[in-house]
Amino acid sequence: AQSVTQLGSHVSVSEGALVLLRCNYSSSVPPYLFWYVQYPNQGLQLLLKYTSAATLVKGINGFEAEFKKSETSFHLTKPSAHMSDAAEYFCAVRDTGGSYIPTFGRGTSLIVHP
Amino acid sequence: DAGVTQSPTHLIKTRGQHVTLRCSPISGHKSVSWYQQVLGQGPQFIFQYYEKEERGRGNFPDRFSARQFPNYSSELNVNALLLGDSALYLCASSLNSGSNYSPLHFGNGTRLTVT
Repeated sequence: AQSVTQLGSHVSVSEGALVLLRCNYSSSVPPYLFWYVQYPNQGLQLLLKYTSAATLVKGINGFEAEFKKSETSFHLTKPSAHMSDAAEYFCAVRDTGGSYIPTFGRGTSLIVHP
Repeated sequence: DAGVTQSPTHLIKTRGQHVTLRCSPISGHKSVSWYQQVLGQGPQFIFQYYEKEERGRGNFPDRFSARQFPNYSSELNVNALLLGDSALYLCASSLNSGSNYSPLHFGNGTRLTVT
């Protein structure tokens, strides 16, 4: 069964600093991979997705992620953090065949300091 | 266009009671999924419905049930509530299910507190 591991339940950065949120996946077949963001008291919003096209995926709000099969990773980055980026971020994986249902990681809380 | 709407937004119940949560998908979306998000964790899949049929079920007890109506809206029912059922319940809709990829669109959730 597919799964994702998000390293670090909390990541703290200064405004303007690089954001790096880590996600490693475990899947028996080449997966689809997603990053979602959740602001307080809201549902999840899709940031970006990898569906076996380009390995470097650009998303909304200046975020991007790179699929690395050799490292089974799909880390999320942003060159310069804004205060508005403070939120919970979830990595998710689903198989390209079989079950449609995505499996979510435990989430990483991004804290941005002025 | 309206997004996914869920009602109520907050709910407080007592142990042993039952609860019904409602979800209206984005217009044109035929698939609805339900997730439970316990504080500090990622969403856990409960059910998926497509064209009024159950297409998937997560590892939840039979106290949890759901259905989808002809207008594609959906209800999640939980019987004999336990303290551990306290969570944010998220509904997500998508155009279709299965091998044709379509992204999930989430509602803002229903916060259920069981006392």
